[in-house]
Amino acid sequence: DAGVTQSPTHLIKTRGQQVTLRCSPKSGHDTVSWYQQALGQGPQFIFQYYEEEERQRGNFPDRFSGHQFPNYSSELNVNALLLGDSALYLCASSDRVYNSPLHFGNGTRLTVT
Amino acid sequence: DAKTTQPTSMDCAEGRAANLPCNHSTISGNEYVYWYRQIHSQGPQYIIHGLKNNETNEMASLIITEDRKSSTLILPHATLRDTAVYYCIVRVNLNDYKLSFGAGTTVTVRA
Repeated sequence: DAGVTQSPTHLIKTRGQQVTLRCSPKSGHDTVSWYQQALGQGPQFIFQYYEEEERQRGNFPDRFSGHQFPNYSSELNVNALLLGDSALYLCASSDRVYNSPLHFGNGTRLTVT
Repeated sequence: DAKTTQPTSMDCAEGRAANLPCNHSTISGNEYVYWYRQIHSQGPQYIIHGLKNNETNEMASLIITEDRKSSTLILPHATLRDTAVYYCIVRVNLNDYKLSFGAGTTVTVRA
């Protein structure tokens, strides 16, 4: 049973560019959340998707947007990249069972130069 | 959301039990305590969670005090592979996917 898979594993972009990161949830999961983890810090919540709609959002600017597809997979898009966007981007999935734990992927390491 | 307080770091001898404390003095009655760990360069791994009763699974045990203001994660027989950052998190309910990770406790298991 495959867990949460993310692609690519590493990515290098230039300031001002746009990037798309992808996530496939664990089998049987229908809810996807995205987190940003800067070096040496804990993950910070970006947003969460369920039924192809954004349901919760953290304190991130509109440059960060997402999408969820009918097969529950998800994309995270970041526009106008800044140096400060360099981080590990984590995807987590879960089902809608009460207090089902979130399962995380191993993330995409984004470097903005 | 209730905040949690954990020690910055701790060492543990291989084969011994590791007891990781967490304070959550402002926890509400409907909030669960979750524990995750993150091994270097990997995503956070779910360990265990509980509401008020003690919980045990194949990875660890969770002891929650009667007043629910603190908890302890117990790794019964620590191995070198348990070296990681351990996060204690309070989660409100089903619809709360905004987990608030603090700095966690860096646990180093030594041979």
